[in-house]
Amino acid sequence: DIQMTQSPSSVSASVGDRVTITCRASQVISSWLAWYQQKPGKAPKLLIYDASNLQSGVPSRFSGSGSGTNFTLTITSLQPEDFAAYYCQQANSFPLTFGGGTKVEIK
Amino acid sequence: EVQVVESGGGLVQPGGSLRLSCAASASTVSSNYMSWVRQAPGKGLEWVSLIYSAGSTYYADSVKGRFTISRDTSKNTLYLQMNSLRTEDTALYYCAGTRSPGWFDPWGQGTLVIVSS
Repeated sequence: DIQMTQSPSSVSASVGDRVTITCRASQVISSWLAWYQQKPGKAPKLLIYDASNLQSGVPSRFSGSGSGTNFTLTITSLQPEDFAAYYCQQANSFPLTFGGGTKVEIK
Repeated sequence: EVQVVESGGGLVQPGGSLRLSCAASASTVSSNYMSWVRQAPGKGLEWVSLIYSAGSTYYADSVKGRFTISRDTSKNTLYLQMNSLRTEDTALYYCAGTRSPGWFDPWGQGTLVIVSS
């Protein structure tokens, strides 16, 4: 199974800050990586797929990069509605696996 | 816009069974991949099962042999039959449309399964 490791597990940031979350796969997954946002009490929402493609309707302050085993999600100019948990997920092979999550909290 | 709505969760004793349903709009179930993803209380996301539009099915090792994913295209409904339930199966179960190769979108609101004596 492919293990997905996210870091940090939590980050405190202020509105307007730039936030970067990393995700590392235990083996090469090409660009088969997605990022999801989950707010408390809500279902997750797809933000980025194929490592760097922005899902329709997602603000352009979100971006994804990377390939192989190392990936990043960057939020430029953090907004109040961005405080949430973020998960990476690989779709290179079954079983599909998620990272442990990163909680973005208000500083 | 495609929407999915889960139902069927509840309280069940260890060793018991439960069937979850996911009603989808339009012809989502027949023409798309569909998945179940779960989230234990206070924990992260765990993929459970996927069914391809052609009917092939895949499972997480933790549920293989106990859970069965299926669909009724005439009713545009996805199911998850859960047998031999364990306390560690307690979670919010989400139904999700799935885009090739395995991107989950859209998600339902989830249905809560509690396995406890």
